[in-house]
Amino acid sequence: AAGVIQSPRHLIKEKRETATLKCYPIPRHDTVYWYQQGPGQDPQFLISFYEKMQSDKGSIPDRFSAQQFSDYHSELNMSSLELGDSALYFCASSLRKREADSGANVLTFGAGSRLTVL
Amino acid sequence: AQSVTQPDIHITVSEGASLELRCNYSYGATPYLFWYVQSPGQGLQLLLKYFSGDTLVQGIKGFEAEFKRSQSSFNLRKPSVHWSDAAEYFCAVGALYGQNFVFGPGTRLSVLP
Repeated sequence: AAGVIQSPRHLIKEKRETATLKCYPIPRHDTVYWYQQGPGQDPQFLISFYEKMQSDKGSIPDRFSAQQFSDYHSELNMSSLELGDSALYFCASSLRKREADSGANVLTFGAGSRLTVL
Repeated sequence: AQSVTQPDIHITVSEGASLELRCNYSYGATPYLFWYVQSPGQGLQLLLKYFSGDTLVQGIKGFEAEFKRSQSSFNLRKPSVHWSDAAEYFCAVGALYGQNFVFGPGTRLSVLP
């Protein structure tokens, strides 16, 4: 079965540069989430999109922005990179409508994009 | 707001031994509970989930978890650990669709041969 695809898998940038991470959700999933996992940390929610509109916002820095496109893929744009931005960035997707019976949200995660800022 | 605690940062067990990873949650309504596993440098894989009904849920790779409302717990168990189970385990509490997960801090499992 198709999974959540993230690219690139690894990215090395220098301070003050910009980076863009891409996420391709499971086909027909309508919701995309971005998480940031620092070294030895648990994943922290950044932002989510439902049907191409921002759905929820977590601890996303102002230097970061994200959007979901008409084909449901999403991009996380990071500018003025700092050393502390070095982390594993996960994208997850879910199908909100399908979970309506249970009311719960089941996220399927991608393998992550590892960003290293030098 | 929901929160999750995993009291054990690191657990070491011998291969073939039983395992229990603890998870406690705080949530004002009926929680939706999950366990994810993360191998080094890898993504998060769903082991099992609890929505409602039978409080003992079975997952993949021989794992199970029991929801105990009175204790606000959702502990993960496995009767016999394999070396390939060495990984980081995250408990998470979700909510109604449209709301994000909250992860616990994780428990790192090491398996001795």
